[in-house]
Amino acid sequence: DGGITQSPKYLFRKEGQNVTLSCEQNLNHDAMYWYRQDPGQGLRLIYYSQIVNDFQKGDIAEGYSVSREKKESFPLTVTSAQKNPTAFYLCASSKFLGGSSSLHFGNGTRLTVT
Amino acid sequence: DAKTTQPNSMESNEEEPVHLPCNHSTISGTDYIHWYRQLPSQGPEYVIHGLTSNVNNRMASLAIAEDRKSSTLILHRATLRDAAVYYCILRDASNTGNQFYFGTGTSLTVIP
Repeated sequence: DGGITQSPKYLFRKEGQNVTLSCEQNLNHDAMYWYRQDPGQGLRLIYYSQIVNDFQKGDIAEGYSVSREKKESFPLTVTSAQKNPTAFYLCASSKFLGGSSSLHFGNGTRLTVT
Repeated sequence: DAKTTQPNSMESNEEEPVHLPCNHSTISGTDYIHWYRQLPSQGPEYVIHGLTSNVNNRMASLAIAEDRKSSTLILHRATLRDAAVYYCILRDASNTGNQFYFGTGTSLTVIP
């Protein structure tokens, strides 16, 4: 089955450590996205990528970094500069960036930093 | 950014129709209206989307106002599995990044 795989489902880190969240898709989609969700809140866009080797900042990119070396993969690194990293992180993809293309989401990684 | 306004919560009885409203008064002519739903601790799931005309699929129907400033997601017969947070978002048809705003959505409770 085609879809988006995020791993791990739960991740625990100590404050001050960088951590990388994995996102892989086998849908052959060009566009990929990272969102952050805090309890009781909607989704906020961190980064998105329209094509390999290209990515753009979203609304809350500070303290995060991404890479897009392969079409299938869009890992997110939460750096020590992110002041409140504990959150639910969601990866998504779409065939292309335009609005007629629907978003497909993974099941998320819940990151806890203590 | 074009944004949407939804009620925080709604209730419905099982097997009855549900109408979930969304206001998007600042919608532009190239914005598509998308609906997604999210269960606890899961990623959102695509429900339906449209531009100007009403749309139907196996999950739901989307009714779009003539001036496009509001829309309604219709679940024809609510089941317990439809209990979720429903998000209405606008996505620009152009190739820009100005299209990803998710609000807090509507939390739908289905009463058995």
